[in-house]
Amino acid sequence: NAGVTQTPKFQVLKTGQSMTLQCAQDMNHNSMYWYRQDPGMGLRLIYYSASEGTTDKGEVPNGYNVSRLNKREFSLRLESAAPSQTSVYFCASRPVGRSNYGYTFGSGTRLTVV
Amino acid sequence: AQTVTQSQPEMSVQEAETVTLSCTYDTSESDYYLFWYKQPPSRQMILVIRQEAYKQQNATENRFSVNFQKAAKSFSLKISDSQLGDAAMYFCAYRRDRDDKIIFGKGTRLHILP
Repeated sequence: NAGVTQTPKFQVLKTGQSMTLQCAQDMNHNSMYWYRQDPGMGLRLIYYSASEGTTDKGEVPNGYNVSRLNKREFSLRLESAAPSQTSVYFCASRPVGRSNYGYTFGSGTRLTVV
Repeated sequence: AQTVTQSQPEMSVQEAETVTLSCTYDTSESDYYLFWYKQPPSRQMILVIRQEAYKQQNATENRFSVNFQKAAKSFSLKISDSQLGDAAMYFCAYRRDRDDKIIFGKGTRLHILP
């Protein structure tokens, strides 16, 4: 099915471990995003990529790195996980040239850091 | 900076009744887009409705409609004939025309009472 695919869906990490969250879209969208969702905080932007080869910081980038591998894929890396990074992570994409379009979201990754 | 405020953390409505979720936003822009997203217990983010700021007519999608008051910077969502499947977290969101990023409110959890 066309859309945004995130892996894994669930993950438990120990403090200090590293991991990469994967995201891929098959809709030929130019822009891709990583958000985190915490109770009572809504969705906060971590990083985004307006096009292949470019990335920019969002509201809460500390502790994360991203890679826009190609037009389809945008990964989020936690180099040294901390309990404060326990959250639900969403990847999203949006087409360029369709200003009134919102995002298409992946199904999310629930990450727990112990 | 743009902000989106949802003043009702939780709401309840009787099945088949009508409910209105509130949203206000702060911006100095004249061209922008507004969205309502639904997040059911499955965690999937689903676009419910969108509104272009340049359009005076309020958007409607079946049982969902908005009351867009540009001067008041208000964007409320009305759900008519509420159904059990409408139970979810609802997020109001904003994107200015010359920007890639969408800003989300903190959400309103809607309960449907049978």
